[in-house]
Amino acid sequence: GQQVMQIPQYQHVQEGEDFTTYCNSSTTLSNIQWYKQRPGGHPVFLIQLVKSGEVKKQKRLTFQFGEAKKNSSLHITATQTTDVGTYFCAGDDGSEKLVFGKGTKLTVNP
Amino acid sequence: NAGVTQTPKFQVLKTGQSMTLQCAQDMNHEYMSWYRQDPGMGLRLIHYSVGAGITDQGEVPNGYNVSRSTTEDFPLRLLSAAPSQTSVYFCASSFQGVQETQYFGPGTRLLVL
Repeated sequence: GQQVMQIPQYQHVQEGEDFTTYCNSSTTLSNIQWYKQRPGGHPVFLIQLVKSGEVKKQKRLTFQFGEAKKNSSLHITATQTTDVGTYFCAGDDGSEKLVFGKGTKLTVNP
Repeated sequence: NAGVTQTPKFQVLKTGQSMTLQCAQDMNHEYMSWYRQDPGMGLRLIHYSVGAGITDQGEVPNGYNVSRSTTEDFPLRLLSAAPSQTSVYFCASSFQGVQETQYFGPGTRLLVL
């Protein structure tokens, strides 16, 4: 079945440093979604990418979808303490099932 | 709108006991799903439903049953709890399917002794 690999598993940064997490799917995706989960909370939708090569920005966050629609990345510029949490990608291969990566846990040292 | 609600918030069970985790949404969403979250394992799909009366298995369905008699409710049943089912359970819903935003409930933390 479809697998979604996400790296790194953990990332610790100093406030102000950049952060990137990467996702790779074993199959071509119809779309990829990104979620953020704060400690003790539930996943919250950030964005969806649909088109090959798509790039979307939300303030300091930049999301990319690869040309082959099998990989994606989330980049945060100049991290802040409010960025702390676990970031998940989730891939849809057209099967009515969303497959989540294992997540990248981001901690930020003030 | 309350969004997606889950009860209970916390539960402790003994091995072999049964229980039902409740999930409800008031957004008229057709698609609902159950995930379990274990440390280092991300979110794994247990069961999902594309509409009332229709359910299907996800990645880790063993030991769990679901039903979808109404659009609003999607309960998850543990027939005979095992320690391996200790986890945090999240219910999610979306308007029509996985190609849209998934709205997650606050989760149920389950401990099986």
